[in-house]
Amino acid sequence: EAQVTQNPRYLITVTGKKLTVTCSQNMNHEYMSWYRQDPGLGLRQIYYSMNVEVTDKGDVPEGYKVSRKEKRNFPLILESPSPNQTSLYFCASRSGTVNSPLHFGNGTRLTVT
Amino acid sequence: DAKTTQPNSMESNEEEPVHLPCNHSTISGTDYIHWYRQLPSQGPEYVIHGLTSNVNNRMASLAIAEDRKSSTLILHRATLRDAAVYYCIFTTQNFVFGPGTRLSVLP
Repeated sequence: EAQVTQNPRYLITVTGKKLTVTCSQNMNHEYMSWYRQDPGLGLRQIYYSMNVEVTDKGDVPEGYKVSRKEKRNFPLILESPSPNQTSLYFCASRSGTVNSPLHFGNGTRLTVT
Repeated sequence: DAKTTQPNSMESNEEEPVHLPCNHSTISGTDYIHWYRQLPSQGPEYVIHGLTSNVNNRMASLAIAEDRKSSTLILHRATLRDAAVYYCIFTTQNFVFGPGTRLSVLP
């Protein structure tokens, strides 16, 4: 089944403890992206990647890192999480064809205390 | 950044058609118009997309203005399950979402 898989679904951590949220897609998609969603603010893009080894900042990249060493994986790294990074995170992917739609994962709810 | 303007919220009665508007005045000639929706407690899902011509699929219809500066997502008969946040975006490559329109469907 074609899907975008995020792990974990729920994560509670403390300020400053490094964490990684994984994202994997099995559709051989070139484009991948991370979004965070907060009440009243919609989906805001953190980072995106057009292909392997190519990443770019979105609207809210501060405090986050990403890597794209292989096509299927696009992990989101929080080196030193802070409470303002408490949010719902979504990973998405699409093929390189210009009109292809985005496929989203089921989300990761992160709480930083 | 590619920016769209949508009403914050709309309301519809069940079984009636719903027209969700979107303004995208800065759209370029090669940008596609995409619509997504997010049901409660779920990730966004693709609804429909188009370039110039009106488009239909099993979920909805997309009406695109002749100048392409606006579009309308049409749900022909709203059901309770259609209550969601609807996002309109235009893009050639990167997908940037706005706050969307929260659609409420009344029984």
